[in-house]
Amino acid sequence: KNEVEQSPQNLTAQEGEFITINCSYSVGISALHWLQQHPGGGIVSLFMLSSGKKKHGRLIATINIQEKHSSLHITASHPRDSAVYICAVWAPSGGGADGLTFGKGTHLIIQP
Amino acid sequence: KAGVTQTPRYLIKTRGQQVTLSCSPISGHRSVSWYQQTPGQGLQFLFEYFSETQRNKGNFPGRFSGRQFSNSRSEMNVSTLELGDSALYLCASSPRSASYEQYFGPGTRLTVT
Repeated sequence: KNEVEQSPQNLTAQEGEFITINCSYSVGISALHWLQQHPGGGIVSLFMLSSGKKKHGRLIATINIQEKHSSLHITASHPRDSAVYICAVWAPSGGGADGLTFGKGTHLIIQP
Repeated sequence: KAGVTQTPRYLIKTRGQQVTLSCSPISGHRSVSWYQQTPGQGLQFLFEYFSETQRNKGNFPGRFSGRQFSNSRSEMNVSTLELGDSALYLCASSPRSASYEQYFGPGTRLTVT
């Protein structure tokens, strides 16, 4: 079974700071998602990646398959970035239980 | 393309009742996966349907069931509701079965009293 660990669990920062959220997993995977969830809201998929690096606006996601590690970076953070960020991995087992495995999430608060 | 839609968005039920949630996938997607999110357990995989057949299943009791129709719309049913079933239920659609490429709906928030 894949274990997904995120750090930090909670992060409070000032507007404009560079933010890094980390995700580590225990078993080789096919792909990894970074998801965003605002309080009381649904889930938005920010990135799906299986190698290298992706960038979308102020968000950057990287993955190191050999190290079993991914990072989500937010540049020039803004209060609207305040949300829970969740890492999810896909590691098919072929045993009829294939689904995403999720981390517990990182609760990010950006103060003005 | 329209995204994944879920109905209803909010629901309040009483312990012992049953509930049915609906998910309409992105047009052309034939796979629908369901997930449960609770404060204690976080997000967990329930099951996946593809071409009207359950293809994958997580570790949940038989009270949780689902089905998929020929138009790929899926329903999830929970019978004999318990307080612990209060959660956000998310569905995700994919063009293929057992695929990491999943697109999430907004979720249905179920409260059991």
